[in-house]
Amino acid sequence: ETGVTQSPTHLIKTRGQQVTLRCSSQSGHNTVSWYQQALGQGPQFIFQYYREEENGRGNFPPRFSGLQFPNYSSELNVNALELDDSALYLCASSSTRVGDTQYFGPGTRLTVL
Amino acid sequence: LAKTTQPISMDSYEGQEVNITCSHNNIATNDYITWYQQFPSQGPRFIIQGYKTKVTNEVASLFIPADRKSSTLSLPRVSLSDTAVYYCLPGGFCGNEKLTFGTGTRLTIIP
Repeated sequence: ETGVTQSPTHLIKTRGQQVTLRCSSQSGHNTVSWYQQALGQGPQFIFQYYREEENGRGNFPPRFSGLQFPNYSSELNVNALELDDSALYLCASSSTRVGDTQYFGPGTRLTVL
Repeated sequence: LAKTTQPISMDSYEGQEVNITCSHNNIATNDYITWYQQFPSQGPRFIIQGYKTKVTNEVASLFIPADRKSSTLSLPRVSLSDTAVYYCLPGGFCGNEKLTFGTGTRLTIIP
């Protein structure tokens, strides 16, 4: 509906493993933001990418890293997975224009066992 | 960052008007107030945004008093499909703002 897609939909990993999540932004958007949403909580800002550069970071450790590609799609990588990393990971695409809003994808549900 | 306070949950019957109030006592002068809706296992969806007084669109109205320390989202004639979590966020005026979500209000519509 928003034009933002994420893959995979669901993922199960074990502690210590690494994971890569992907996001395709809406056409015309050059900014991608990633959020983590634990069960029963609101989304928490992880970081944002603008024109392939990190443009702000929330309170997340360095094992959370990302990339943005020339077509503005993005990846979120998490190393050394912990049980508490189990969450819904959301990406949102936007422009930088005043008055614009962020358009969220459906999310990737990550379960760490 | 402005901290927001919303009721944790609300119930309403179908067909009624629902008002959800959010307090944001230390909102910044240049912050807008944005409301998002989220269904289970989906990303949040923008509903409405305003700076002061009243804003109305096809799905909701937003009332903001002169001191801007609170805002009220009004959903007219709710239906079962309005059952969701609603978040109030200061800011969000530019597309690249780093959004700060609270725990939101879980609205349940009763048939």
